[in-house]
Amino acid sequence: KAGVTQTPRYLIKTRGQQVTLSCSPISGHRSVSWYQQTPGQGLQFLFEYFSETQRNKGNFPGRFSGRQFSNSRSEMNVSTLELGDSALYLCASRSQGWAYNEQFFGPGTRLTVL
Amino acid sequence: SQQGEEDPQALSIQEGENATMNCSYKTSINNLQWYRQNSGRGLVHLILIRSNEREKHSGRLRVTLDTSKKSSSLLITASRAADTASYFCATRPANAGGTSYGKLTFGQGTILTVHP
Repeated sequence: KAGVTQTPRYLIKTRGQQVTLSCSPISGHRSVSWYQQTPGQGLQFLFEYFSETQRNKGNFPGRFSGRQFSNSRSEMNVSTLELGDSALYLCASRSQGWAYNEQFFGPGTRLTVL
Repeated sequence: SQQGEEDPQALSIQEGENATMNCSYKTSINNLQWYRQNSGRGLVHLILIRSNEREKHSGRLRVTLDTSKKSSSLLITASRAADTASYFCATRPANAGGTSYGKLTFGQGTILTVHP
């Protein structure tokens, strides 16, 4: 099976702009989670989608949003970008809503905000 | 916020030696997972250990879990230069319900350098 894919791999934006990142989970996986990784804060959970519904949300401002489509692909959007949004954004997929499933991560999207 | 703390923050060893990394966490967990990350790339899943398990093996990896001490360790035996990476533990809290299955809390990671 193909792994989790994320597009684009690299993005450069300026403050105030908005950005949309895309994630395609492993075929058959219905759960997609998003994480932000920065040198200062480490890996932090953004949100999780399962069957097109947001099931959980981390402690991030409303500028961060997401959605999931019927084919399980997910997008996250960041509006009004700030310098502090520069980070590696990772998405992960799981096969179903069960506690013991491993999460498989994609290669990430490196976002730089100038 | 980070639930886990990993120790040491950095570890430098020679090829062939064993590497041990430790992870501590604060709340009761359902399971603990270890991941590897090479140079700011995506995370590679290594192993998952459930809260009712004490030890698990996968190839050169050995993971232990002590829920009474809220700690876990990852042992890499006979290390290779290709094992050079950052290693993270991640926990899923117990009794969090189905809405939290996809939420993992990560430690700060251990940077492992294996010299040829």
